[in-house]
Amino acid sequence: GEDVEQSLFLSVREGDSSVINCTYTDSSSTYLYWYKQEPGAGLQLLTYIFSNMDMKQDQRLTVLLNKKDKHLSLRIADTQTGDSAIYFCAERSKQGGKLIFGQGTELSVKP
Amino acid sequence: NAGVTQTPKFQVLKTGQSMTLQCAQDMNHNSMYWYRQDPGMGLRLIYYSASEGTTDKGEVPNGYNVSRLNKREFSLRLESAAPSQTSVYFCASSEDGTYTGNTIYFGEGSWLTVV
Repeated sequence: GEDVEQSLFLSVREGDSSVINCTYTDSSSTYLYWYKQEPGAGLQLLTYIFSNMDMKQDQRLTVLLNKKDKHLSLRIADTQTGDSAIYFCAERSKQGGKLIFGQGTELSVKP
Repeated sequence: NAGVTQTPKFQVLKTGQSMTLQCAQDMNHNSMYWYRQDPGMGLRLIYYSASEGTTDKGEVPNGYNVSRLNKREFSLRLESAAPSQTSVYFCASSEDGTYTGNTIYFGEGSWLTVV
């Protein structure tokens, strides 16, 4: 079946890099996504990566994909207090194109 | 550009009451989804509609019904609300339900409390 796992919490100091990890089970997933959710708000798409790519960089964000290990990571460089939020990893299922989400990682950035 | 609009944003229900969450998108998307979000569990799919006139069960459909009224609108109904349905509900839409990179857009969420 389809399953996505993330660690629940991550705490970093302002200015450090944050790395949020995710594992998934569906090897046929074609797209993997990172969403950000701030308190009381909806989900904001940060970035996505196609399964035939190893890496994607977008300003302070770097996504690494290890397809063999089914491991996805999101690196945020120079983490700021405004990056404090819950980050969700998601894979896109072949069936109906729906997204399967991880539990979310709560990132806390301390000044 | 409104995107995905959900109503109501907040609702308190008594156990056994019924209600409908409304969702509309103005992007001419084919696929629409309803998710619920609970602490520590991420988002779980309740129902989805790959195209107008079709609906399918997701991961947690029990206690819910949906209706794809037309291409724009996808409603979620709780016939007899239970405290276990206290959650935040998100509607979403995407252009295509197949495995493409088309972005899935989310509404702002509806906070539902059942007492």
